[in-house]
Amino acid sequence: AQKITQTQPGMFVQEKEAVTLDCTYDTSDPSYGLFWYKQPSSGEMIFLIYQGSYDQQNATEGRYSLNFQKARKSANLVISASQLGDSAMYFCAMREGSAGNMLTFGGGTRLMVKP
Amino acid sequence: DAGVIQSPRHEVTEMGQEVTLRCKPISGHNSLFWYRQTMMRGLELLIYFNNNVPIDDSGMPEDRFSAKMPNASFSTLKIQPSEPRDSAVYFCASSLVYPALTTLTGELFFGEGSRLTVL
Repeated sequence: AQKITQTQPGMFVQEKEAVTLDCTYDTSDPSYGLFWYKQPSSGEMIFLIYQGSYDQQNATEGRYSLNFQKARKSANLVISASQLGDSAMYFCAMREGSAGNMLTFGGGTRLMVKP
Repeated sequence: DAGVIQSPRHEVTEMGQEVTLRCKPISGHNSLFWYRQTMMRGLELLIYFNNNVPIDDSGMPEDRFSAKMPNASFSTLKIQPSEPRDSAVYFCASSLVYPALTTLTGELFFGEGSRLTVL
């Protein structure tokens, strides 16, 4: 079974609107962390936001927020006020407490922001 | 501050040749990872090291692949002999492994990647 599932291969959003990128995960480990990375066309991997399994509140970093629904095992990324520079691939990843510090990545979602 | 440094950025080689990819992690980080990215398989973990010791190499495709970390500031990923199906972007990443019960996130910091093309 896939540990990280991103069901949206590609998405369009109008500039200045908000967009939600879906991520579901599968683990039986009570301690885990969820990450989102951005990969623009230039290829580098940029860390965006982190949510720990024991965190009581949803993580936020500027225009990025993570909608963490533990019972549903989902960790969706919300980008508010989309900008043209947000066009990129977005990857959800998970670190399980029992698996060391390695991250397992989902297949990614390509976001395209329309002017 | 210098990030993770990978070389070469691009490598084009012929099938059967040896390929060596190099990585310098961020100073002070004690965990290093090699990932491979392809369109078909996405981002796959090949191997990772903690304190220069290989912890999990179950992602290494086969015996043609080997990785070393002789010291805390250098790692190599070697493919010998290379095959066309090895064509991919290879990322090195580093992070700080820390004891539990800390607020640090332990995110991975990625290099810019080495794009390998095997003809």
